[in-house]
Amino acid sequence: QSALTQPASVSGSPGQSITISCTGTSSDVGGYNYVSWYQQHPGKAPKLMIYEVSNRPSGVPDRFSGSKSGNTASLTISGLQAEDEADYYCSSYTSSSTLEVFGGGTKLTVL
Amino acid sequence: QVQLVESGGGLVKPGGSLRLSCAASGFTFSDYYMSWIRQAPGKGLEWVSYISSSGSTIYYADSVKGRFTISRDNAKNSLYLQMNSLRAEDTAVYYCARDCTNGVCPKAYWGQGTLVTVSS
Repeated sequence: QSALTQPASVSGSPGQSITISCTGTSSDVGGYNYVSWYQQHPGKAPKLMIYEVSNRPSGVPDRFSGSKSGNTASLTISGLQAEDEADYYCSSYTSSSTLEVFGGGTKLTVL
Repeated sequence: QVQLVESGGGLVKPGGSLRLSCAASGFTFSDYYMSWIRQAPGKGLEWVSYISSSGSTIYYADSVKGRFTISRDNAKNSLYLQMNSLRAEDTAVYYCARDCTNGVCPKAYWGQGTLVTVSS
């Protein structure tokens, strides 16, 4: 069981918007603005898409945005494109001895 | 450019040992904290271990504590993970990733991963 809870799958049509949630506790997501989101295509290493809740690294399209409310963080992808089909993982700093926790991942299908 | 290249994976029997390496280039390795993260086949990411730039601060996931040892050789720009008493549930692709110069942080740089299979 992952420390952070994500939906197993979400889907959307090209051009639509989708949101992936990531629920933790006050010891991780709710307690710190250190939530990151990663995109992973099959057989590839994860790619950082969002850091510190809502910041985009250079080169990440502004179609990707992040937010947080309480113990739940969210990743929104607007204007869905075929190449957005991938697995998405959230992660957070945690006050526990493990330092960093990941969500179980969400498979995004672009219909 | 930043490059991280893992090696050392393979097939090992339960109870056996394996040492993974991560060769870093394109940045001043000795300035950065580093992490190991793994992914079991068809499963999600799991943070495994973390080491400070000097090697003086180390953290482990509870699932590997007492069995795995993280270390680094800044002169060789290399990160290591010594894995002992391996179990079937340790089967995964192991990634090394770069943290920040002052602690754990979002991981913008990952290696390609090395597969560890624990099976009799």
